Amino acid sequence: DAGITQSPRHKVTETGTPVTLRCHQTENHRYMYWYRQDPGHGLRLIHYSYGVKDTDKGEVSDGYSVSRSKTEDFLLTLESATSSQTSVYFCAISGEENTEAFFGQGTRLTVV
Amino acid sequence: GENVEQHPSTLSVQEGDSAVIKCTYSDSASNYFPWYKQELGKRPQLIIDIRSNVGEKKDQRIAVTLNKTAKHFSLHITETQPEDSAVYFCAASKNYKLSFGAGTTVTVRA
Repeated sequence: DAGITQSPRHKVTETGTPVTLRCHQTENHRYMYWYRQDPGHGLRLIHYSYGVKDTDKGEVSDGYSVSRSKTEDFLLTLESATSSQTSVYFCAISGEENTEAFFGQGTRLTVV
Repeated sequence: GENVEQHPSTLSVQEGDSAVIKCTYSDSASNYFPWYKQELGKRPQLIIDIRSNVGEKKDQRIAVTLNKTAKHFSLHITETQPEDSAVYFCAASKNYKLSFGAGTTVTVRA
């Protein structure tokens, strides 16, 4: 498996609180992604990064922000968590354009 | 942005039969089309991919076809086995932006 680690693996948080999920890679891959997975919706792209400090929005970016200050870390922040953000979050990495993306183990987030 | 539609959402096949999953994409500039398999409780993993300069690719029991004109691509699994039961996702990529379909839950009946 590619060296990609998500933390935490599970989190329960209250509505209105900020939450940060971390994706850490040891592959020195340029591209990093955050997806959320919900039943019936598959994997939806939240934000992605194409280099240090270079990020862009995906299809479901509202309520989320990201930062990438180092090649190996990509942080996803929920500014003020809502129940609709209860989901499984996957980070993915890719070394080059149009090549295999490797996924992390996922983070199950529950907002109560 | 890119919109990927995937059909069917569920598929039940008898062991040994074939399974076909179809996807369409909206952005004609997309040029990379991977397929991922996700077993229950696990992370998605690549099973096969195809680039826009190729019409068909095969890897043992799995094959993918691409019709750029119609903007659709398909996954074919032959001689299905119980271990093929999983959720399958198609995806389309332009540059480095990877968009997924909603997934197909495949159940192989013994």
